[in-house]
Amino acid sequence: GAGVSQSPSNKVTEKGKDVELRCDPISGHTALYWYRQSLGQGLEFLIYFQGNSAPDKSGLPSDRFSAERTGGSVSTLTIQRTQQEDSAVYLCASSLDRGSGYTFGSGTRLTVV
Amino acid sequence: SQQGEEDPQALSIQEGENATMNCSYKTSINNLQWYRQNSGRGLVHLILIRSNEREKHSGRLRVTLDTSKKSSSLLITASRAADTASYFCATDDIKAAGNKLTFGGGTRVLVKP
Repeated sequence: GAGVSQSPSNKVTEKGKDVELRCDPISGHTALYWYRQSLGQGLEFLIYFQGNSAPDKSGLPSDRFSAERTGGSVSTLTIQRTQQEDSAVYLCASSLDRGSGYTFGSGTRLTVV
Repeated sequence: SQQGEEDPQALSIQEGENATMNCSYKTSINNLQWYRQNSGRGLVHLILIRSNEREKHSGRLRVTLDTSKKSSSLLITASRAADTASYFCATDDIKAAGNKLTFGGGTRVLVKP
């Protein structure tokens, strides 16, 4: 596609429910990244994919968080048993190769009530 | 953890003035990038400067990099109201996997008409 597409753009969920966030990167971009951003804060790295494998998942906050990427394209970030502290904007980005800038999606604003 | 620390955290200027913000980091890097974020959603890549470069220009943007001091600056000349946004530096750590970037906390810039 022309840009990085994320869905949904907003999600309100009850504490304890599972949520799935989707990212569709730019076609041909082999690298895909998930970050999250709390209100007024910087970006916190979650996980990085190269193709379908995840060489660095060091930023996942707990085992409630998981992510996968299939076909070297679409990625889903799953949060199980959501907690209020999971509320944030979840940002996905893709890049062509090392030394390239990221193209970000518009993010998913997750609110856990 | 955030590697880049931006200074100042917030900046308010009049239209037409120049805006300067600084970024300090801690490790050895391949490159340093600057991004702009409007309204707390997706970030837009502005400029990338490699570790062997000292200065780079793009339109009204000027970026400097001093690897001996582990610092960078972003100058926006002749600012416009549309430049109102948060600006983030991001570093590509030599030891990081792939193209993983570490973002700073950002500088919020307000350009008053």
